[in-house]
Amino acid sequence: QVQLVESGGGVVQPGGSLRLSCAASGFTFRNFAVHWVRQAPGKGLEWVGFIRYDGTKRDYTDSVKGRFTISRDNSENTVDLQMTGLRAEDTAVYYCGKDGGGYWIDYWGQGTLVTVSS
Amino acid sequence: DIQMTQSPSSLSASVGDRVTITCQASQDITNYLSWYQHKPGRAPKFLIYDASELITGVPSRFNGSGSGTDFTFTISSLQPEDIAIYYCQQYDSLPLTFGGGTKVEIK
Repeated sequence: QVQLVESGGGVVQPGGSLRLSCAASGFTFRNFAVHWVRQAPGKGLEWVGFIRYDGTKRDYTDSVKGRFTISRDNSENTVDLQMTGLRAEDTAVYYCGKDGGGYWIDYWGQGTLVTVSS
Repeated sequence: DIQMTQSPSSLSASVGDRVTITCQASQDITNYLSWYQHKPGRAPKFLIYDASELITGVPSRFNGSGSGTDFTFTISSLQPEDIAIYYCQQYDSLPLTFGGGTKVEIK
């Protein structure tokens, strides 16, 4: 069955960096885009960005452009979210999700919590 | 960016009631809309795509409709296991955007 498992969350100081990883299994990983979505405490879902199945296209929400980078390794079935210049407002549970073929997200991970605090 | 306005933000209904959630896009998104169910501490669950296409295995009491800018999500007979927050999401254009969510509770 399709499974996505996020890791790498934790507490980081403002201005710091953190790298999240998403390990995928149960489907032909190299054929599908992957998204990152976050949920700040008490807030709704917010799309962070995505990477195309072959890594040739990436896009991000404006608030993270220039600070966050998504990469993938199709030989390891993993997608990473490198976060730099972290701010308090980046505090959230971060989910990775498999694209269903049309920019909807058909499978999601359980999420990993990132807390930006001094 | 396309703004998605979802209402109500919360609702309380009895078991067996019909529940309706609306989602309005700030511009025409044709039928490029999906719906998700999110229970606390769990992964969101994909329910509907293309505004009305129900995912295999999702109970038939869930239904989606609409096109253009106005969309509706309905639970025909609310069950206790349906307690969750429901989100719409447009995929007409990047950035992908979600509605603010509707928290569904049992009265």
